[in-house]
Amino acid sequence: GAVVSQHPSWVICKSGTSVKIECRSLDFQATTMFWYRQFPKQSLMLMATSNEGSKATYEQGVEKDKFLINHASLTLSTLTVTSAHPEDSSFYICSARDTRSVYEQYFGPGTRLTVT
Amino acid sequence: ILNVEQSPQSLHVQEGDSTNFTCSFPSSNFYALHWYRWETAKSPEALFVMTLNGDEKKKGRISATLNTKEGYSYLYIKGSQPEDSATYLCALCPQGGSEKLVFGKGMKLTVNP
Repeated sequence: GAVVSQHPSWVICKSGTSVKIECRSLDFQATTMFWYRQFPKQSLMLMATSNEGSKATYEQGVEKDKFLINHASLTLSTLTVTSAHPEDSSFYICSARDTRSVYEQYFGPGTRLTVT
Repeated sequence: ILNVEQSPQSLHVQEGDSTNFTCSFPSSNFYALHWYRWETAKSPEALFVMTLNGDEKKKGRISATLNTKEGYSYLYIKGSQPEDSATYLCALCPQGGSEKLVFGKGMKLTVNP
């Protein structure tokens, strides 16, 4: 149980295009999902908290107009990187909190984005 | 800015060796501490969630302890096996329990057969 999938696992796109990454909780409901990114040799850094049915909450320094988050159902959150630039190349990973759990967060396998 | 430190950053051991690594965090800003095991190309796997000072948790050959007063947690692996090779992450859930996790950079363990 408690499986989170992410799609795609890797993507290469040209500068200026937009990329959508999906995060799904497969066997549980998640009212809250989190989006992180990791640059080389750095820690996972929280970008935003995605709440089902409401607007996402972004961390300081993360542009909400550039990283669009939609959490339309209890099992799906999407992150769209708009007008991607090479500096957006990173590893993006989501996590989901099971509504039945106080503490547990379950992670997807991540998406490697390369912008050329 | 909260800082979570993990040491060492990497470790190479022989099969059968026991290992331990440290996660340090601000003791003044603690709600819970998470340990994850992350194999390449897979999802980070939750190992432990620790909340109480003096907590000690065990899962097979892996165990963890928590000292919230001094701000550290130890992760131990007894009799390391090659399949233990992975990156081990600790993450602090700060006071307030907002669910936001602050991660350390991870500790990459390589167990040689």
